[in-house]
Order: sequence, then structure tokens, then C-alpha cells
Amino acid sequence: QQPVQSPQAVILREGEDAVINCSSSKALYSVHWYRQKHGEAPVFLMILLKGGEQKGHDKISASFNEKKQQSSLYLTASQLSYSGTYFCGTESQAGTALIFGKGTTLSVSS
Amino acid sequence: GAVVSQHPSWVICKSGTSVKIECRSLDFQATTMFWYRQFPKQSLMLMATSNEGSKATYEQGVEKDKFLINHASLTLSTLTVTSAHPEDSSFYICSARVGGLEQFFGPGTRLTVL
Repeated sequence: QQPVQSPQAVILREGEDAVINCSSSKALYSVHWYRQKHGEAPVFLMILLKGGEQKGHDKISASFNEKKQQSSLYLTASQLSYSGTYFCGTESQAGTALIFGKGTTLSVSS
Repeated sequence: GAVVSQHPSWVICKSGTSVKIECRSLDFQATTMFWYRQFPKQSLMLMATSNEGSKATYEQGVEKDKFLINHASLTLSTLTVTSAHPEDSSFYICSARVGGLEQFFGPGTRLTVL
């Protein structure tokens, strides 16, 4: 089952914050976040494992609520380079293929 | 991060011909690779899981006779689109997992069938 991402699109000015959500109807082992720019392959951002992880790098962080089967990606003080489509990929068992949500398009302007 | 390469980057072919796309893990061994297809402005749709030395596992709705997958070594998986038609035009992306956790994508191959 494909995870559900929200919102579908976000428009920001530089310096503003955004939250992208990913929810699943199935129990999850892990959630993976990627950013894809037009015409390019997805770039790995981070992985969160079951057990309720939170992690971050620079101004991008994420959390995983295993009970709620939800993950959120937090982008703070957005930069122009953050523009792109963000996908969450979920796996219900370790080592299986990721199933991706429909994506959230983020546009950051100056 | 680990590096996954794909070849070619793009290909244009005539309807009815077959096209082979290679996916290589450059600095690690991948017992499992995944093939995805992405139509414009849509999500990545899993086509199949490729396992080294065994038959690929195809997702429901993906024709195994049309999309032939071969994973002959720990660093190479190939996808052959047989008798390609315009509706097969898409962005094909492979990925491989490192240590069972992180999944890294190749740069993708854009297939255009005329």
C-alpha cells in the first residue's frame, strides 16, 4: 500500500519553514526520505527505523512515530536549494523494496 | 554514500525494438537491486526486485516477459525492455541497498520510444 504524503505542494520564501507528512495504513519497519530535482534521480536524505527515531542534518530533520505509522520531515530556514519533490519511501519488513508516496513538491523563492 | 551507475543515460528507439539498461553498483556488492519506473510528475513505481543468481520478483501488473531482468553478478543488474512501444517511454531508475538499510539510486535512464 502506497503511503500518503501531505501536502501535495508547498510554496515558501527563503528562510521559511515547512513540514511534510507521510502516513501509512500498514505497520512500518522504516521510513526513508528522498529529494528529487527535475530530470534527476532521487537523492537520499535520511532513514528512520522503527522504535521512534528522530534525526537531522543541517536544517533538515525528521521523526518517525511508529504507533501512528507516520513520519514527518521538517525543513527549517529553507534555502533555494531545497526546492524539489520530496518522497517518503516505506518498508514494512527489513530489506524489502521501498514503496513511495506520490511526493510533495516544494518551491522556494527568494 | 554508495555509488550506483546506470547506462545509458537516455535512449531513443523505434517501436518494436528491444532496449537494455544496465545498473551497476560501483563501490559495493549488491545482492539485491530494485527497478523503478517513473512517469512525468508521478511517483516512483516499483517494477521488480532483482536478486543475484535467481529470478527477479515482479510487482503485480508488470509483465515479466516484457521487462526482462538479469542479475548475473553482485555488481550488475540489467533490465531489457522487449518490443518497446511508445507507452513504455518513461524514466527507469534502479537502486541498491547498502547493508540492508540505506537505498541508493542510480541516475536513471530516460527511454523514449518513437
